[in-house]
Amino acid sequence: QVQLVQSGAEVMKPGASVKVSCKASGFTFTGYYVHWVRQAPGQGLEWMGWINPDRGDTHVAQNFQGWVTMTSDTPLSAAFMELSGRGSGDTAFYYCALSFDSSGRFDHWGQGTQVTVAS
Amino acid sequence: QSALTQPPSASGSFGQSVTISCTGTGSDVGGYNYVSWYQQHPGKAPKLMIYEVTKRPSGVPDRFSGSKSGNTASLTVSGLQADDEADYYCSSYAGSKIYVVFGGGTKLTVL
Repeated sequence: QVQLVQSGAEVMKPGASVKVSCKASGFTFTGYYVHWVRQAPGQGLEWMGWINPDRGDTHVAQNFQGWVTMTSDTPLSAAFMELSGRGSGDTAFYYCALSFDSSGRFDHWGQGTQVTVAS
Repeated sequence: QSALTQPPSASGSFGQSVTISCTGTGSDVGGYNYVSWYQQHPGKAPKLMIYEVTKRPSGVPDRFSGSKSGNTASLTVSGLQADDEADYYCSSYAGSKIYVVFGGGTKLTVL
């Protein structure tokens, strides 16, 4: 079955960057969208952007433009999200999620990666 | 502040029904039939429960149903069970530029 497995928790200092991975299995890793969603402690969900691994194009939400980069490695069936930790406000769980079309639904989710930004 | 408005909490007795609302605008909920609902248990990833307003993914019980009227979508959970106690988030497609917006979430308590 479809499974998304994310890399482990990270601690980073403000101004540093971290790269979170999301490895997919159980389906052909092309023709789909991989999304990234942020959830700050005790808060709701916030869509960050998507990457289409097949085409390599991305769409990053305005709030995350300039400090989030999304990439993919199709042979590895993996997607990556690199973010620059601006401050403690970026401390959150970061989820990857898979969609089979561009209608805005997220069919499958990774387990989440906790990123802590602290000096 | 979330783009879609949900009540922060909802509750219902075991076996009863509860409905959670999700209010947006004509640019999201009212403009597209692409409303989704997600269930999130504490410490877990969200799970898709409803998509395209009324459709259920394989494996989701038919106790979960969705509807929409104008700019407000709703999730109804009938025959409440203990495991239904969770946070529920709505989302809507909002056009190719913004793409998707979420509600702030509703904590469902089963009494």
